[in-house]
Amino acid sequence: EPEVTQTPSHQVTQMGQEVILRCVPISNHLYFYWYRQILGQKVEFLVSFYNNEISEKSEIFDDQFSVERPDGSNFTLKIRSTKLEDSAMYFCASLERAGELFFGEGSRLTVL
Amino acid sequence: GQNIDQPTEMTATEGAIVQINCTYQTSGFNGLFWYQQHAGEAPTFLSYNVLDGLEEKGRFSSFLSRSKGYSYLLLKELQMKDSASYLCAVFTGGGNKLTFGTGTQLKVEL
Repeated sequence: EPEVTQTPSHQVTQMGQEVILRCVPISNHLYFYWYRQILGQKVEFLVSFYNNEISEKSEIFDDQFSVERPDGSNFTLKIRSTKLEDSAMYFCASLERAGELFFGEGSRLTVL
Repeated sequence: GQNIDQPTEMTATEGAIVQINCTYQTSGFNGLFWYQQHAGEAPTFLSYNVLDGLEEKGRFSSFLSRSKGYSYLLLKELQMKDSASYLCAVFTGGGNKLTFGTGTQLKVEL
């Protein structure tokens, strides 16, 4: 069964450092997403991406965040200068056209 | 914006039936999803309702009333492994975005 894959599964970084989280969405899917979940809290929408551009972003997705689809398979989330409050699980998801969003296993980011 | 409400916690007995309710207020509604999430894991898809009515899938059923902004997830023949968080999520057009509620933590006891 096709799946969304994410790397790394866990990253520890120092405050102020740049972090790149990587995702490989399901190959024929058209819509890509990043969500985050702070420990004990709800899953929050960050950004959606379609046709090589951002289609919607939340208030959380400020200038410190960026997304990119550098080639035909990868979808990345970059945090330029991490803060303590960026510590969370980051989920990538993809959607074919309609219906179920498929989620990756997540990347746990710990900012010290 | 979107507002999605569901109970924070529920407890039920193994073998019983439990109903988890969700109410929502949103614009550009394009469907309602239920996901299951075990602690430290990704959400996994349970069901998807676009039209009013009941969708049944094995031990799980989901109901939607668009006019009332209401859905429920029904879990039958509860098993211990059903202990998890159940997330109600609304799909809206435009950004084709899925917005999650806070989740209902279900505890299944013997």
